Amino acid sequence: EIVMTQSPATLSVSPGERATLSCRASQSVSNNLAWYQQRPGQAPRLLIYSASARATGIPARFSGSGSGTEFTLTISSLQSEDFAVYYCQHYNNWPYTFGQGTKLEIK
Amino acid sequence: EVQLLESGGGLVQPGGSLRLSCAASAFTFTSYAMSWVRQAPGKGLEWVSAISASGSDTYYADSVRGRFTISRDDSRNTLYLQMNSLRAEDTAVYYCAKDFPQPPNYWGQGTLVTVSS
Repeated sequence: EIVMTQSPATLSVSPGERATLSCRASQSVSNNLAWYQQRPGQAPRLLIYSASARATGIPARFSGSGSGTEFTLTISSLQSEDFAVYYCQHYNNWPYTFGQGTKLEIK
Repeated sequence: EVQLLESGGGLVQPGGSLRLSCAASAFTFTSYAMSWVRQAPGKGLEWVSAISASGSDTYYADSVRGRFTISRDDSRNTLYLQMNSLRAEDTAVYYCAKDFPQPPNYWGQGTLVTVSS
């Protein structure tokens, strides 16, 4: 099973600033990597797939990069609605696994 | 608009059984593989199970293999998760999600399963 490790666990950033979230896979997942946003009490929302492709309706301030074992989600200018928990997930082979999440909080 | 509506959650004793349902609408159900993903209270996400569009291929996390069974009824546009021999650690919100192996772009609102005596 591939282990996904996200860092940091909590990230404090001011609105309007940039946030950079990291995700590392225990072995290569090629570019089979997705990012999700989850707000309290809501289902996860797909942001990024194939490591860097934005899902339908996702604002351009969200961008993903990386391949192999190292991945990054960048939010270029934080809006109030962006403060949430973010998960990475690989889909290179079964079982698919998620990272433990990064909580993005208002500084 | 795509809708996924889960039902069937509730309180069950350890060792008991429960069947979750996910009613799908506004897309061609028979063309899509489907998944169940769960989230224990205050914890992260775990991909529990998936089923191919044809229903011929199924996938299970090690934590539920042999206890849970995923199935689909294409005539009813409904996905199921039969959960047997439930344990306290199965307590979670269970989400139905459209698509597999691609990352799901549509998720239900979730149904809470609580395993407790």
